[in-house]
Amino acid sequence: GIQVEQSPPDLILQEGANSTLRCNFSDSVNNLQWFHQNPWGQLINLFYIPSGTKQNGRLSATTVATERYSLLYISSSQTTDSGVYFCAVQPTGTASKLTFGTGTRLQVTL
Amino acid sequence: DGGITQSPKYLFRKEGQNVTLSCEQNLNHDAMYWYRQDPGQGLRLIYYSQIVNDFQKGDIAEGYSVSREKKESFPLTVTSAQKNPTAFYLCASSITAHYEQYFGPGTRLTVT
Repeated sequence: GIQVEQSPPDLILQEGANSTLRCNFSDSVNNLQWFHQNPWGQLINLFYIPSGTKQNGRLSATTVATERYSLLYISSSQTTDSGVYFCAVQPTGTASKLTFGTGTRLQVTL
Repeated sequence: DGGITQSPKYLFRKEGQNVTLSCEQNLNHDAMYWYRQDPGQGLRLIYYSQIVNDFQKGDIAEGYSVSREKKESFPLTVTSAQKNPTAFYLCASSITAHYEQYFGPGTRLTVT
């Protein structure tokens, strides 16, 4: 099946710093989503981005489908950005199934 | 308020007992999903349903069962045949099978 690798696995930032999280996938996809899992376990949708670039406030994401990677940018990080960020992909030709990476754990300190 | 609800938030059971986790959505979504998350891991698909009265196994369906009798509801039963049932269970839905998935708040199941 498709492999999804996220890097880095862990990241510690000071408040106000910028960061880039990466998601590599091994096959073509027709769906790619970025999620933030908060300390209570809730998965919050950040982006639905099978290709192209999107921005939402301090967050933006870019997916280059032909090169099989996606990037999540966090600017001016805040302590509330702490948590685990997951990339999940749906391989082309499959119905429904999202395959998740193992996540990037982000800690933002004062 | 539109969304996905899961109940209960925490569930404790003795080994050997079946337990049913609830998932309800009022988003009018056709597709619904169940995922399992173990500590420090990503999510893995247990079952999914693209339409009422139809469902398919995901990657880790052994020891689980589901039903989809109503569009809004997709309950998951964790049977005694599931060898390691203690986990965080998340339900999701999407308009149709190939679109953005939205998740409920999850149920933490502990079996002792």
